[in-house]
Amino acid sequence: GAGVSQSPRYKVTKRGQDVALRCDPISGHVSLYWYRQALGQGPEFLTYFNYEAQQDKSGLPNDRFSAERPEGSISTLTIQRTEQRDSAMYRCASSLVGRNLLYGYTFGSGTRLTVV
Amino acid sequence: SQQGEEDPQALSIQEGENATMNCSYKTSINNLQWYRQNSGRGLVHLILIRSNEREKHSGRLRVTLDTSKKSSSLLITASRAADTASYFCATVTGGSYIPTFGRGTSLIVHP
Repeated sequence: GAGVSQSPRYKVTKRGQDVALRCDPISGHVSLYWYRQALGQGPEFLTYFNYEAQQDKSGLPNDRFSAERPEGSISTLTIQRTEQRDSAMYRCASSLVGRNLLYGYTFGSGTRLTVV
Repeated sequence: SQQGEEDPQALSIQEGENATMNCSYKTSINNLQWYRQNSGRGLVHLILIRSNEREKHSGRLRVTLDTSKKSSSLLITASRAADTASYFCATVTGGSYIPTFGRGTSLIVHP
């Protein structure tokens, strides 16, 4: 597609429910990143993929968070047993190559998650 | 953990004035990037400067990088009300491909 697409744009869920956030990167982009951004803060790294391989998941807060990119394109970030502290904007970004020396990363508009 | 830290946290200027934001970081980098975030919107990449570059320009934007001081600055000349946004620096270190963001500078340009 023309840009990075994230869905849903907004998600309100009850505490304890599982949620799945979707990211559709720019066609042909090798790398895909997930970030979380709290209000008034900068984006915080969660995990990233090159093709279908998860290269680094050191930013995932705990084992309730997982991500996959099975075919090297669309990615899903899943949060199990959501808690109120999980409420944040979840952002996805993609780039053409893993170490992008020439261009920046293209971000999607994000998914605003609210856990009530 | 925060690698880049922007300064100031907030900046308020009049339209037509120049705006300067600074970013300091702790460890050696491969490149440094600046992003803009308008209220309620996504992050937009503005400019990338590599560790072997000292200055880059893009329209009204000028970015400098001083690796000896581990700092970068973003200058917006002849600011406009539409430049009102939060500006973030993101660093990519040599051994990692992960952009690490600072907390950002909130810029308000009054018409």
